[in-house]
Amino acid sequence: DQQVKQNSPSLSVQEGRISILNCDYTNSMFDYFLWYKKYPAEGPTFLISISSIKDKNEDGRFTVFLNKSAKHLSLHIVPSQPGDSAVYFCAARNRYNFNKFYFGSGTKLNVKP
Amino acid sequence: NAGVTQTPKFQVLKTGQSMTLQCAQDMNHEYMSWYRQDPGMGLRLIHYSVGAGITDQGEVPNGYNVSRSTTEDFPLRLLSAAPSQTSVYFCASSQPGQGLSGANVLTFGAGSRLTVL
Repeated sequence: DQQVKQNSPSLSVQEGRISILNCDYTNSMFDYFLWYKKYPAEGPTFLISISSIKDKNEDGRFTVFLNKSAKHLSLHIVPSQPGDSAVYFCAARNRYNFNKFYFGSGTKLNVKP
Repeated sequence: NAGVTQTPKFQVLKTGQSMTLQCAQDMNHEYMSWYRQDPGMGLRLIHYSVGAGITDQGEVPNGYNVSRSTTEDFPLRLLSAAPSQTSVYFCASSQPGQGLSGANVLTFGAGSRLTVL
């Protein structure tokens, strides 16, 4: 049973608008959450992270929000650009074993020019 | 700086054959790991290593073998391939986790696509 879930397989937005990608998790054993971006035929690359003691982290056009009571996090991209078109994976780190990460199934973002 | 290098990029096997997926990193990372990516399942951890001579199991270790004789290399062995092992395999490396002072960010290779007939 997946412990990190991304329920939207795909998302399409217009260039310049906001993209919101969502991620849910099922238990409290995670202490860090990360977002990775993946282009076709490449490995995932790190985008942004947030620790479980914070509720927001911002890096340029990318902001991650964490709602611990709802066990939900979201990635906001503002403004969206065509180069942001990729698959986005949410990942969570096990607080009892820093070497174990759990990934969601990914959301494919398409930013239309 | 090459980062994480995986070979081969593509491989087709018959059921029962064995093979090794190679992974090498040049960043002197202590931590290395193997994930498989399947449609609708995301990336799942197969095996990982926290240093030369030390390996441990992840979520889906059955059917796979690993060893870590050097810091740079972490090969993944399939001893008797099965169709269920058809997947895209990613190797990743990082420095050890540092608690809440910082997440250990994974650097991934480009992936190896394996098809078992």
